[in-house]
Amino acid sequence: SYVLTQPPSLSVAPGKTARITCGGNNIETKSVHWYQQKPGQAPVLVIYYDYDRPSGIPERFSGSNSGNTATLTIGRVEAGDEADYFCQVSDSGSDHYVFGTGTKVTVL
Amino acid sequence: QVQLQESGPGLVKPSQTLSLTCTVSGDSINSDDYYWSWIRQPAGKGLEWIGHIYNSGSTNYNPSLKSRVTISIDRSKKQFSLKLTSVTAADTAVFYCAREVIAVAGPAFDYFDYWGQGTLVTVSS
Repeated sequence: SYVLTQPPSLSVAPGKTARITCGGNNIETKSVHWYQQKPGQAPVLVIYYDYDRPSGIPERFSGSNSGNTATLTIGRVEAGDEADYFCQVSDSGSDHYVFGTGTKVTVL
Repeated sequence: QVQLQESGPGLVKPSQTLSLTCTVSGDSINSDDYYWSWIRQPAGKGLEWIGHIYNSGSTNYNPSLKSRVTISIDRSKKQFSLKLTSVTAADTAVFYCAREVIAVAGPAFDYFDYWGQGTLVTVSS
C-alpha cells in the first residue's frame, strides 16, 4: 500500500513559520488532505485538496504539493497550534485511504 | 452543524467481536454526497482507515482488515455500525466515526470533514 512519511516532531517559536512535510512516491499526482489533532480530541480537517481551507480555519494555514512532497505551512505560529498533524491521501487511486505517520508540533 | 457520536462497549475479550455504532445528527446520512467511515487510532500512534459505507449499503474495506470487518447502516435510525471479529490486543484503539466527503473528481480525492469524539475500545480478558 501507499506509504506517507512525516517527520515525527517539529519545534517552532511563536510568531515563526512551521512547515510540515508529507513524503510519498509521486505524491503530486494525489490530492492531499491535512488534519490537526490536539491531545484527547478528534482530528480536525485544516486543509483539503492540497491547499483549500475549510471555513473557520485561519488563513495562517496553507498547503502545497509538488514532486514527492506535500507541505502544510502554518504562518505566525501560536501556542494553540501545538498538536499532531496528519496528512491523508487515497491508496493508489482507489477508494481506500491512508494517513501519514504524523508530526507533533511543539511551540517553544 | 453535523455531529457524530460513537457508542458501544469499552472492553472486549480476545477472540470476541467488537461492535460499535455511530449516530449522526441531521439528515446527511441520506445524502448522496457522503460515505460514512470508521477510523481507528492505537494509543500514541497514527490513524488507520477501516472502511466506509454508502447510504445504499455499498461498502469498501481496508484490505488489511477486510476478512474481519463488517459495516452496516440503518438510515431510519441515522446510524451506521462497525463489527470487527476475532479481536486481539492489537485491536485496542480509539475508534472514530467520520463523514467522508465524496469528491466530484472521484473517490481518490475524498476527505473526512466531520469526526465523532472517539471511543476507546480495549481488548483484554
